[in-house]
Amino acid sequence: GAVVSQHPSRVICKSGTSVKIECRSLDFQATTMFWYRQFPKKSLMLMATSNEGSKATYEQGVEKDKFLINHASLTLSTLTVTSAHPEDSSFYICSASPARGRGDTEAFFGQGTRLTVV
Amino acid sequence: AQSVTQLGSHVSVSEGALVLLRCNYSSSVPPYLFWYVQYPNQGLQLLLKYTTGATLVKGINGFEAEFKKSETSFHLTKPSAHMSDAAEYFCAVSDPQAGTALIFGKGTTLSVSS
Repeated sequence: GAVVSQHPSRVICKSGTSVKIECRSLDFQATTMFWYRQFPKKSLMLMATSNEGSKATYEQGVEKDKFLINHASLTLSTLTVTSAHPEDSSFYICSASPARGRGDTEAFFGQGTRLTVV
Repeated sequence: AQSVTQLGSHVSVSEGALVLLRCNYSSSVPPYLFWYVQYPNQGLQLLLKYTTGATLVKGINGFEAEFKKSETSFHLTKPSAHMSDAAEYFCAVSDPQAGTALIFGKGTTLSVSS
């Protein structure tokens, strides 16, 4: 199957700083990428959908100024958590889809990033 | 709108026993349905998916699931549990008209005892 690489796998940052997480599709072009957040013992929550070359679409309740998403190329999307606070600590997972639009059947997931804000 | 309900946040079985993880969905359109497995601090691995066609879907590691439209269910089964099956399992639904964004259930933790 297709490979999606997420980096870093773990990061610890100080409160008030910003952290960038990268999501790369290694062997396919990803026109669409998704960012999810997973709280402890909770399900994955879709945060936003990013399409290459256009602005991300954020789910209701997700602060777009706090969680900046850039999908500048067909193989790379980044999520930047700005002015991080301890409540932003979570497991963030990206997924990438090789096709755009209707009829897509599968997106491929990265390994996830454990963010801890101290 | 779509939603997924996984009945039972925690299921415990003995090694060799039948595994049954329940998933019910709600969707206003014919959905695509997925089961994923997650090991601690790792991403998601696709076990199987239903899109169209045969309603009994076979996946990796001996898992299978059956799409039952009348019951709006997509339960995951495995005839004989292995210790290595202990993990978190997520059922998910997507709208075929809206790409591959997934709506996940809350997950079921499977424990396997020897």
